[in-house]
Amino acid sequence: EVQLVESGGGLVQPGGSLRLSCAASEFTFSSFWMNWVRQAPGKGLEWVANIKEDGSEKHYVDSVKGQFTISRDNAKNSLYLQMNSLSADDTAVYYCARGVPATRGEAFDIWGQGTMVTVSS
Amino acid sequence: EIVLTQSPATLSLSPGERATLSCRASQSISIYLAWYQQKPGQPPRLLIFDASYRATGIPARFSGSGSGTDFTLTISSLEPEDFAVYYCQQRSNWPLTFGGGTKVEIK
Repeated sequence: EVQLVESGGGLVQPGGSLRLSCAASEFTFSSFWMNWVRQAPGKGLEWVANIKEDGSEKHYVDSVKGQFTISRDNAKNSLYLQMNSLSADDTAVYYCARGVPATRGEAFDIWGQGTMVTVSS
Repeated sequence: EIVLTQSPATLSLSPGERATLSCRASQSISIYLAWYQQKPGQPPRLLIFDASYRATGIPARFSGSGSGTDFTLTISSLEPEDFAVYYCQQRSNWPLTFGGGTKVEIK
């Protein structure tokens, strides 16, 4: 079964850092754009960042530029999100999502179950 | 940033009825719009991409239409499992953005 499994979420103090991971299985990970999308409690969806198949191109929503870094390791079939200088506004479920090739990876056809990040003192 | 406005916020319908959901973009996005369904405690599920292409495994009762700034998701006859929140998402410009969602609830 094609699957994405996120990990690394948890409770962190304001100003702290976290690194999220997403493990992919049962598809050729290196052939797909990958994305992070977040959802604050009770709120809608917000696209955060994406990365090209070979890692050569990355895009971010303005609110996380310079704060978050997306990366991937195709040998390990894994996607990452390094999050620094966290604030309460970053509290959300973070989803890893695969990009649809026909859309240059900009629509998302496979989603993980998400990992919760809570920023609080 | 392109703003997507979904309407109505809530749609109250009965099983078997037709659902029509709207998504309006703040500027033209050609056909670069996707629709997702989300149920409580679950990740979103891709229904439609590029305005009218059904994703793999999506039933034919779901259809999408529109171009430019106005888009519609139609569910021809609601099944019990279709009651959920629906989001639209554009990929015309960076950053990729989502609409605020429409909740389809049982009347």
